Amino acid sequence: EAQVTQNPRYLITVTGKKLTVTCSQNMNHEYMSWYRQDPGLGLRQIYYSMNVEVTDKGDVPEGYKVSRKEKRNFPLILESPSPNQTSLYFCASRSGQPNTEAFFGQGTRLTVV
Amino acid sequence: AQSVAQPEDQVNVAEGNPLTVKCTYSVSGNPYLFWYVQYPNRGLQFLLKYITGDNLVKGSYGFEAEFNKSQTSFHLKKPSALVSDSALYFCAVRDRNSGNTPLVFGKGTRLSVIA
Repeated sequence: EAQVTQNPRYLITVTGKKLTVTCSQNMNHEYMSWYRQDPGLGLRQIYYSMNVEVTDKGDVPEGYKVSRKEKRNFPLILESPSPNQTSLYFCASRSGQPNTEAFFGQGTRLTVV
Repeated sequence: AQSVAQPEDQVNVAEGNPLTVKCTYSVSGNPYLFWYVQYPNRGLQFLLKYITGDNLVKGSYGFEAEFNKSQTSFHLKKPSALVSDSALYFCAVRDRNSGNTPLVFGKGTRLSVIA
């Protein structure tokens, strides 16, 4: 089954404690991205990657890092989480063609206290 | 710059009645347009897209959308709403002349179908 898998689904952490949210896709997609979803703001892109070792900032990259060492994986790293990063996070992937739809993971609900 | 507006935060409709969820967009060139649906505790699921050709696009679960270039709109419609259609709906746009730019989403419209 074609899917994007994120882990963990739920995470509560403390301010300053580094964490990684993993994302993996099994569709051989070139393009992967991370979004955060906040009430009243919709989805905002954090980072995206057009292929292995190619990453770029989205609209809200501050406080986040990503890496793309393999085509299937695109982890999101919060080096020093802060309460304003409490949000619902989604990973997405699609083929390299810009007219194709994205496939989304089930989301990671992160709470930073 | 690309942008999407979903003017209604909430749409309420009775089961069996037609539904419309509105979306207008702004791009400098021609758009690729998408609709996604989000059910509680789930990720976004693709419903339909407009790439080119026929302005009326049919998608999953009986939904359709009409591309109107003069009004820069891409409203989502369904002839007869079901309670199970209750969810959060997102419209998204990408300028086809801007290469592989990120998809820009609207803020979402919550659809509530009442039995």
